[in-house]
Amino acid sequence: KQEVTQIPAALSVPEGENLVLNCSFTDSAIYNLQWFRQDPGKGLTSLLLIQSSQREQTSGRLNASLDKSSGRSTLYIAASQPGDSATYLCAVREAAGNKLTFGGGTRVLVKP
Amino acid sequence: ETGVTQSPTHLIKTRGQQVTLRCSSQSGHNTVSWYQQALGQGPQFIFQYYREEENGRGNFPPRFSGLQFPNYSSELNVNALELDDSALYLCASSPHGAEPREAKNIQYFGAGTRLSVL
Repeated sequence: KQEVTQIPAALSVPEGENLVLNCSFTDSAIYNLQWFRQDPGKGLTSLLLIQSSQREQTSGRLNASLDKSSGRSTLYIAASQPGDSATYLCAVREAAGNKLTFGGGTRVLVKP
Repeated sequence: ETGVTQSPTHLIKTRGQQVTLRCSSQSGHNTVSWYQQALGQGPQFIFQYYREEENGRGNFPPRFSGLQFPNYSSELNVNALELDDSALYLCASSPHGAEPREAKNIQYFGAGTRLSVL
């Protein structure tokens, strides 16, 4: 059974600092891994999707890496801003099905 | 905006009642997935519908059921509500749910329905 873990559960940084969010998964047989952002009480916004054959994806200040063999992904957010404050969730799509398995999320607070 | 709309946005029910949540998928998407997100946790997969048939189910009891209509919109029904059913219910649509080899198949999420069971 696939299990996804995100550490830390919460993170507080001053504005301008780089953010590093970690995601680990137990079964390396995945099709892709996706990072989402969730604002309080809202739905999910997709940030980046990494195919299983890729090592990283970049979009603006966001960069996500994937090491499938070790079951790890890292989301980097450069030069954080107060508007980056949200919960960040990673999810894996397994090879054997169509569902997403999510981690518990990392709650980020960027202080002005 | 993902083009996925859910209704209602908020709902309050009492224990033992039944509830129906609705989802309109993005245009052209034939697959709908439902997730339950308890407070402070990540979403948990409930089930998925592809072309009006259930196409995978998570670890949820039979009192959680669903429908998908010819226009690909969907309903989630929960019978005999329990206090632990209080959560944010998320719907996600995607274009080719029955093709797992399509690695670019991204699920687009709606804003969710917040259900409170008292």
